[in-house]
Amino acid sequence: EVQLVESGGGLVQPGRSLKLSCAASGFTFSNYYMAWVRQAPKKGLEWVATISTSGSRTYYPDSVKGRFTISRDNAKSSLYLQMNSLKSEDTATYYCARRANSGYFDYWGQGVMVTVSS
Amino acid sequence: DIQMTQSPSFLSASVGDRVTINCKASQNINRYLNWYQQKLGEAPKLLIYNANSLQTGIPSRFSGSGSGTDFTLTISSLQPEDVATYFCLQHNSWYTFGAGTKLELK
Repeated sequence: EVQLVESGGGLVQPGRSLKLSCAASGFTFSNYYMAWVRQAPKKGLEWVATISTSGSRTYYPDSVKGRFTISRDNAKSSLYLQMNSLKSEDTATYYCARRANSGYFDYWGQGVMVTVSS
Repeated sequence: DIQMTQSPSFLSASVGDRVTINCKASQNINRYLNWYQQKLGEAPKLLIYNANSLQTGIPSRFSGSGSGTDFTLTISSLQPEDVATYFCLQHNSWYTFGAGTKLELK
C-alpha cells in the first residue's frame, strides 16, 4: 500500500525558514517523480514543486521560485521541502504527492500544516 | 496560465440521486483532467484520470466525461460515504486545480 507521511510543520515567524519532510513507503520511491502541493485556508490547491527521480531536475511556480527548494533522498525514500523567507501567504496545509508516469498526482499524503505568523 | 472554473461550489443531494460536478478550463487541455475526492482529515484520493478513466478500486458509480475545455464528474447513485469535497486538476500545462465542490447529504 502506498503511504506518504508528511512532518515538520508548525508555527514560524515571517522571514524565517522551515523544512518539511515526507516519508514514502509501499512503492519503489526512486522510480517516481515527486511533488508538493499546498492549500491555504479557505482557498484552492496550488502546486508548489516537482522533482525528478534522480533529483537532478526541479520545477517551481513563480510564487515560490527562489524561496523554496525541493529535494529527495532515494536511499531513505524521503522527500523534502526547504522553505525560506516565509510569508504569511505561505500559510497552508502542505501535501506530498507521487507523480504518476502520465504526469498527474496519483497518491497524496494527509498533509502538514504550516502557519506563518508573528 | 490555465484557469479552472469548477461548479457548483456546494451541492446538497439525497441518497440515490445522480450528481454532476463540472470543471471548465480557460483553454484546451485535451483530456488531461483528473478528479479527486477528499474527505475531512484524509488525503485526497484519485477517482478519475485523463477525463474518463476510472482509477483502480474506485466504485463504478463514479464516471468522468469531457474533452477540450468542458469536463464532468458524475456519481450515478449517491451513497452516504460519498460525502466529501471533490476537485479537478488539469495537468496539460503544469498543474491547476479547481476550487472544489463540497457535497453534502440532503
